[in-house]
Amino acid sequence: AQTVTQSQPEMSVQEAETVTLSCTYDTSESDYYLFWYKQPPSRQMILVIRQEAYKQQNATENRFSVNFQKAAKSFSLKISDSQLGDAAMYFCAYRSGPHASGGSYIPTFGRGTSLIVHP
Amino acid sequence: GAVVSQHPSRVICKSGTSVKIECRSLDFQATTMFWYRQFPKKSLMLMATSNEGSKATYEQGVEKDKFLINHASLTLSTLTVTSAHPEDSSFYICSARVPGGWNTEAFFGQGTRLTVV
Repeated sequence: AQTVTQSQPEMSVQEAETVTLSCTYDTSESDYYLFWYKQPPSRQMILVIRQEAYKQQNATENRFSVNFQKAAKSFSLKISDSQLGDAAMYFCAYRSGPHASGGSYIPTFGRGTSLIVHP
Repeated sequence: GAVVSQHPSRVICKSGTSVKIECRSLDFQATTMFWYRQFPKKSLMLMATSNEGSKATYEQGVEKDKFLINHASLTLSTLTVTSAHPEDSSFYICSARVPGGWNTEAFFGQGTRLTVV
């Protein structure tokens, strides 16, 4: 079974600064997807960014980018120019790909990292 | 992205009563929906996978007679918490996967805060 580990229960950052949230995962599959979801105080889960394991290039979405290290099974999220609206819980998630033997399209979530943004 | 609407956002019910939570996909047809439970400051725990036109698949440890799931149409899944107890108080979230292959992500409803008094 796959596991997703977020070792930072809480992180703080000053507005306009950069912060990196860590995520590691364990899998024997070679075909999978990784996601970062944001859950603000409203509790609505929002997809921030997605990475396909077969792609070597790190995914980027505006101020959000990932550092995907497949060999190390690491998938960190970097938030640049942090804004007050970035304050939220961030969840890292793993999902098997279509070519994974016995894989499931149901994502496995990490425990989350609470991001605090100081003005 | 696709829109998933969950209703109600908050509900308070008395112990012993049942409460129904609805999850609708507004702009796509979802053959599969997922129901999660989230405890305070915790991750999402998958409760069950709801399949349109067939029985839901429950995760280990989840009582299917207590958490009734009905996925009667391609746009609606319901979760009914039967004979609710205070320990059922939690945040429940549904999500639906946009059909079209593996390269699609799940979209989430706004969640429902259930308080059993």
